[in-house]
Amino acid sequence: RKEVEQDPGPFNVPEGATVAFNCTYSNSASQSFFWYRQDCRKEPKLLMSVYSSGNEDGRFTAQLNRASQYISLLIRDSKLSDSATYLCVVNTINKFYFGSGTKLNVKP
Amino acid sequence: ETGVTQTPRHLVMGMTNKKSLKCEQHLGHNAMYWYKQSAKKPLELMFVYNFKEQTENNSVPSRFSPECPNSSHLFLHLHTLQPEDSALYLCASSQDPQVGFYGYTFGSGTRLTVV
Repeated sequence: RKEVEQDPGPFNVPEGATVAFNCTYSNSASQSFFWYRQDCRKEPKLLMSVYSSGNEDGRFTAQLNRASQYISLLIRDSKLSDSATYLCVVNTINKFYFGSGTKLNVKP
Repeated sequence: ETGVTQTPRHLVMGMTNKKSLKCEQHLGHNAMYWYKQSAKKPLELMFVYNFKEQTENNSVPSRFSPECPNSSHLFLHLHTLQPEDSALYLCASSQDPQVGFYGYTFGSGTRLTVV
């Protein structure tokens, strides 16, 4: 079983839509969680950390569900510029595992 | 500019060639990493250096040889590669990973094509 799994998508949504991605992790000892964004042919960039209590940054909300071992990313009021691949990263005993990424296409 | 600079951005090499990828960071980070990203696959960790010492080699073939002369520079020496080694090679740096994870800063990557 993979350490981190994501739905590869693509998610095709219209501008203004709300979209949510989930990411599941296999090891209950995982300690910290992150969402990265990767634009086409560019390097990944940290989007936000995911805290136990959930956290919000503008239109982006990240949540952690330890019982079910998944994290989520919610994007409200999607913009064209949100089109990218979103990578889930999980830190497990000081090793970092990346998901394959979920591709988002926001259409006009 | 991300604070982590990789050169070259693109590289095409034959299977008998020897080349090197370079990574430089001026963020004061202690740890540096090489990752491989193939199409439609997760990022694969190759090597980790912490305070210039290699702390992880993720079963990488010996045709990839890392070098870390100091905390700011990291090289990946390549020789007798195979076409399946064609990928995006990403360098990253972070604060000491043993203390906690404050996030990686990635370089822009070197897109390698082996012909």
